[in-house]
Amino acid sequence: EAGVAQSPRYKIIEKRQSVAFWCNPISGHATLYWYQQILGQGPKLLIQFQNNGVVDDSQLPKDRFSAERLKGVDSTLKIQPAKLEDSAVYLCASSWGAGGTGELFFGEGSRLTVL
Amino acid sequence: KQEVTQIPAALSVPEGENLVLNCSFTDSAIYNLQWFRQDPGKGLTSLLLIQSSQREQTSGRLNASLDKSSGRSTLYIAASQPGDSATYLCAFEDSNYQLIWGAGTKLIIKP
Repeated sequence: EAGVAQSPRYKIIEKRQSVAFWCNPISGHATLYWYQQILGQGPKLLIQFQNNGVVDDSQLPKDRFSAERLKGVDSTLKIQPAKLEDSAVYLCASSWGAGGTGELFFGEGSRLTVL
Repeated sequence: KQEVTQIPAALSVPEGENLVLNCSFTDSAIYNLQWFRQDPGKGLTSLLLIQSSQREQTSGRLNASLDKSSGRSTLYIAASQPGDSATYLCAFEDSNYQLIWGAGTKLIIKP
């Protein structure tokens, strides 16, 4: 079974530039999550999709971050314009369940450095 | 505010030792608790998931326990190996189906 795929693995940009990350969850998983993980901290949920609807985006900085999940499968996370404090690893995860989290499966993450 | 605390933040032990990692949480109304492993530069791998009705789960050399009344979970690693070196994170799912994460314990197993 293929795992959660993310790209790019690494991205370096200057502040005020834009960046986009892509995620392909495990086939059949209804729920998709984007997390931000700053070095030395636990993951912080940015947005949770169930199929192609948003379940929780309360911690997404909507003035600069946006995310979509087309047709309930792939998802993209965009940052525009980037700030220095956005330097982090962006993790995508998926799970089977619709009610409750269940077991999460993570991709390898996209490491963003903002200069 | 719900919080998860993992102590210690870092731990270094010789190979072969049995060890315990601790996770404490403030909300006893949890839905489940999960332990994850994170290798440097990698994503997270789910190790064990304990439902709220369960007391423990085992997988190979790993055993996780859950005591909701005291707000604690422990991850026991038997006969530690250098390959066990990683950061271990716990997260509990609250009654709103939100995952609340600890900051992790960085484990180093010395050969």
